[in-house]
Amino acid sequence: SQTIHQWPATLVQPVGSPLSLECTVEGTSNPNLYWYRQAAGRGLQLLFYSVGIGQISSEVPQNLSASRPQDRQFILSSKKLLLSDSGFYLCAWSERREQYFGPGTRLTVL
Amino acid sequence: AQSVSQHNHHVILSEAASLELGCNYSYGGTVNLFWYVQYPGQHLQLLLKYFSGDPLVKGIKGFEAEFIKSKFSFNLRKPSVQWSDTAEYFCAVNSPSGGYNKLIFGAGTRLAVHP
Repeated sequence: SQTIHQWPATLVQPVGSPLSLECTVEGTSNPNLYWYRQAAGRGLQLLFYSVGIGQISSEVPQNLSASRPQDRQFILSSKKLLLSDSGFYLCAWSERREQYFGPGTRLTVL
Repeated sequence: AQSVSQHNHHVILSEAASLELGCNYSYGGTVNLFWYVQYPGQHLQLLLKYFSGDPLVKGIKGFEAEFIKSKFSFNLRKPSVQWSDTAEYFCAVNSPSGGYNKLIFGAGTRLAVHP
């Protein structure tokens, strides 16, 4: 069966510091991968998605970037964090029309 | 642009009460519709989905949803809720444009069920 992992689970970072969140999927090959941000009372917002290695689509202009160095690895990064980057970040994968979500990373920028 | 509206942000029910959570979307073409649930401290999980066919779909844990195309709605129902249904519920939609990759979520409804 497929599983999806995210780490770290929680992270507290100062403003201006870099960020790297990692997501890996097991038990499937060539999945579509996604990064979402969940804000309280606002649902989930799609940030990036990838249909293959090195292929990244960005949905909203922001301070973040994504990369897919391997088939089942998806990384969310920032060179300099802003206060507004605080939130709950979810990774998801899909093979067809359904998406399956990881446990998330709670990021607090101080 | 596509959007999803969930009418109730917070719902409080007693056990055995009936539940209906509203969801409306704005997109005139073919859509896939989903309800996801997030129990306290757990992953976001797929509760049920609609792609085509019978507009009344049944999901896990006794939940069902009805797709009414003319009303652009996909409301979630359960005849008798339990304390364990306390969670946050999200309606979502995607479409063939964008290759089904752009899953648009509503703001969510927090359900609290009291024993």
